[in-house]
Amino acid sequence: AQKVTQAQTEISVVEKEDVTLDCVYETRDTTYYLFWYKQPPSGELVFLIRRNSFDEQNEISGRYSWNFQKSTSSFNFTITASQVVDSAVYFCALSYNAGNNRKLIWGLGTSLAVNP
Amino acid sequence: DTAVSQTPKYLVTQMGNDKSIKCEQNLGHDTMYWYKQDSKKFLKIMFSYNNKELIINETVPNRFSPKSPDKAHLNLHINSLELGDSAVYFCASSQDNSLEKAETQYFGPGTRLLVL
Repeated sequence: AQKVTQAQTEISVVEKEDVTLDCVYETRDTTYYLFWYKQPPSGELVFLIRRNSFDEQNEISGRYSWNFQKSTSSFNFTITASQVVDSAVYFCALSYNAGNNRKLIWGLGTSLAVNP
Repeated sequence: DTAVSQTPKYLVTQMGNDKSIKCEQNLGHDTMYWYKQDSKKFLKIMFSYNNKELIINETVPNRFSPKSPDKAHLNLHINSLELGDSAVYFCASSQDNSLEKAETQYFGPGTRLLVL
């Protein structure tokens, strides 16, 4: 079975704090892909990163960084020096082999509030 | 030069009515999707078309019918609307949908449907 767990429902931090959003997944596939998306209060879904199961290198993009660890089935997302504009719901998703095609299964999201 | 667009952005209607939501992408992608996001922010795939062919058809009521006149457009028609249909509906597109590789899905702005 495929599953994505984002155990943190809501996180509240003060600006400039670092914050890590957890994502734990379950899959039997050997080839799979993981994604993070951001949904700001305006409602759109914004793609942040895609990672395949064969690439365990950590990635950094500005204040954002991702830590992919197959040993713990985790793909955590860290925002360094958070800003008010980072306030959003963040979703982790897993792309898995669904037979004839691939499907995305989504976590329930973590709502991040960055307070001034 | 919006990549994935949806119309309308907001839709308020009475129970029992029939309504359509339109989606267009100008990314040259082959695959398009419809997702439903409920009030708790849970995202679920409804349908997917690849080059006008239906490839994902999740368990949704028959009142929902997708139509893809060409690979750049995927519309969603809903008959006999019910209160429980109130949600945000997202259209998305990706380069393709193959078992070998999960392409990133890019989302439209969403259509907020409220059934009264």
